[in-house]
Amino acid sequence: DAGVIQSPRHEVTEMGQEVTLRCKPISGHNSLFWYRQTMMRGLELLIYFNNNVPIDDSGMPEDRFSAKMPNASFSTLKIQPSEPRDSAVYFCASSPRLAVNNEQFFGPGTRLTVL
Amino acid sequence: RKEVEQDPGPFNVPEGATVAFNCTYSNSASQSFFWYRQDCRKEPKLLMSVYSSGNEDGRFTAQLNRASQYISLLIRDSKLSDSATYLCAVNSGNTGKLIFGQGTTLQVKP
Repeated sequence: DAGVIQSPRHEVTEMGQEVTLRCKPISGHNSLFWYRQTMMRGLELLIYFNNNVPIDDSGMPEDRFSAKMPNASFSTLKIQPSEPRDSAVYFCASSPRLAVNNEQFFGPGTRLTVL
Repeated sequence: RKEVEQDPGPFNVPEGATVAFNCTYSNSASQSFFWYRQDCRKEPKLLMSVYSSGNEDGRFTAQLNRASQYISLLIRDSKLSDSATYLCAVNSGNTGKLIFGQGTTLQVKP
């Protein structure tokens, strides 16, 4: 069975450029989560969706970050304009449903470097 | 104070040793607890859920102490392949949102 799919796996870009990260959750999963991981701050939740609707975006650091989920099988996280401090690994995770006891399954991540 | 805290380590242990990690959480309304394993440059992978009564999976035992608000992970008979970072995750109140600790790094030496 396919797990969570993310693309690209690696992205190197220059400051000021727009970056779009993509995620395909596990088929049948209704909840999708975007995380960012850095050495300094660990794994931080940015935003999550349930049934394609954003539920909590309080972790999104600034207006430069936006996320969409146009359908059940696709989500994007966009950074515009990008800055060097955005360099991190961005993970997408999905869960069968939004419930307190549901496990989350992570994709392989996108390693973003902003020069 | 962080909502979920772990000792970052590293814990350096010889093969065959028993090692234990703790993870403290601050939200008394938290209901679900998990341990994830993360290998270098890989994604976190679910190791085990933590149930109120404690649970065991082979060499791994997870326990929950609600009174003191911590969870623990015990690894018996450590293998070289257990070397990784172990992340605890706690749900935030009544939501499906998980808060992760910074992770504890384990290095098992021959």
